[in-house]
Amino acid sequence: AQSVTQPDIHITVSEGASLELRCNYSYGATPYLFWYVQSPGQGLQLLLKYFSGDTLVQGIKGFEAEFKRSQSSFNLRKPSVHWSDAAEYFCAVGYTGRRALTFGSGTRLQVQP
Amino acid sequence: NAGVTQTPKFQVLKTGQSMTLQCAQDMNHEYMSWYRQDPGMGLRLIHYSVGAGITDQGEVPNGYNVSRSTTEDFPLRLLSAAPSQTSVYFCASRLTGFGTDNSPLHFGNGTRLTVT
Repeated sequence: AQSVTQPDIHITVSEGASLELRCNYSYGATPYLFWYVQSPGQGLQLLLKYFSGDTLVQGIKGFEAEFKRSQSSFNLRKPSVHWSDAAEYFCAVGYTGRRALTFGSGTRLQVQP
Repeated sequence: NAGVTQTPKFQVLKTGQSMTLQCAQDMNHEYMSWYRQDPGMGLRLIHYSVGAGITDQGEVPNGYNVSRSTTEDFPLRLLSAAPSQTSVYFCASRLTGFGTDNSPLHFGNGTRLTVT
C-alpha cells in the first residue's frame, strides 16, 4: 500500500534561518506530489505541486520543493523563514487512476524570534 | 467565489446522537471528499464522490454515510455518534478525479466535532 512519511513531527527554527521539511513516499508508480500548509483553526492551503517535468517546483510564500525519484522524496525548502510561516505542513501523494490523496502525518513548524 | 463552505464550525454531540455535516462548493467541481484529521495521523479519507449520484468509500468509512444528489453539495452523516468520532472534519473538492488534470484539492475550514 502507498504511504507517505514525514519523519519530523515538530521542527523549531529561528526567524531568518533556512528550512527543510522532509517527505518520503512509497509506491512504484510516478506520483503526483503536493505540499499543503495549515494555520491554526484553518483548512489546508496548497503551497506547491509536482505532476511532471522540472523536478524543482516553486510555490507560494517563497517555498520550493524538489522531487527526487531515486530517493522517493519531495522535500520542502525555504531559504529564510518568517514568523508567519509557523504552521503545520502536510505532504500528500496521489497517483493516476487512484481517487484520493494520501497524506503524511504532518510537521509542525515553530519559528523563534 | 466562496470556494468550499462547511457548516457548522463546531458541534458537540452525545453518544448515540445523529447529525449531518454540510459541505458545499461553488466551483462546479466534480470531485468531493471528506477527511478526518486526528493528532499524529494526518488526514484520512472517509468517503468521496466523483460526480452527482456516485459515491465510494475511503480509508475510514465506518460510522459515516454520504450522498451526492447535486454537484454542489456533499453532506456527511453520522448515524449514531461515538466518542471515537471526535475529530476535525474537512471537506475538499477538486475539478475532476485524480489523473485527469493537475488541479489541486480545495479545502473547507473544517468542522470540529466532539462526542461525549
